[in-house]
Amino acid sequence: EAGVTQSPTHLIKTRGQQATLRCSPISGHTSVYWYQQALGLGLQFLLWYDEGEERNRGNFPPRFSGRQFPNYSSELNVNALELEDSALYLCASSLLWGGTGYTFGSGTRLTVV
Amino acid sequence: KNEVEQSPQNLTAQEGEFITINCSYSVGISALHWLQQHPGGGIVSLFMLSSGKKKHGRLIATINIQEKHSSLHITASHPRDSAVYICAVRGGGGSQGNLIFGKGTKLSVKP
Repeated sequence: EAGVTQSPTHLIKTRGQQATLRCSPISGHTSVYWYQQALGLGLQFLLWYDEGEERNRGNFPPRFSGRQFPNYSSELNVNALELEDSALYLCASSLLWGGTGYTFGSGTRLTVV
Repeated sequence: KNEVEQSPQNLTAQEGEFITINCSYSVGISALHWLQQHPGGGIVSLFMLSSGKKKHGRLIATINIQEKHSSLHITASHPRDSAVYICAVRGGGGSQGNLIFGKGTKLSVKP
């Protein structure tokens, strides 16, 4: 069974541009979570999607947004990129509420120059 | 104060040593997770606990709900155990879908 897949693995963007990150959950998982891990900082919760709806949002500005598609895959969009957006972005999936645990992807490393 | 505190922040051990990593939390939780992150960033979920103790190979995780404390133990440590170990809690109510993370414990096991 395929795990959680994220693409691209690495992404380099210029300040002010937009970045789009993608995540495909494990088959059968309806919830997708996005996390940011900036250099020297711990993991921070960004967004949670389930059944196509945004269920919860972390303390991030509105230029961080996303969506979940009918096949439960998800996109994270970061608009008006700033240098401090450079980070590892991790996606995880679970059944609703994470009751049976989470499976993480390998992450997308975003570098803003 | 962080909602999830881990100690120690860094840990160096000799191969074969018994290792303990601690996690304390201050919020109500529905479950606690121990995660392992290797260089390069990929995260593996080791345990999910809501009570008691779980064991998988050389890894043991315990949780004391009353004391809001969990420990991760590694017996007979090996250099391949070198990684960052992260404690994360899943809250209740509307936040129960997402995790709150500790800052991680960087473990280095020397041969």
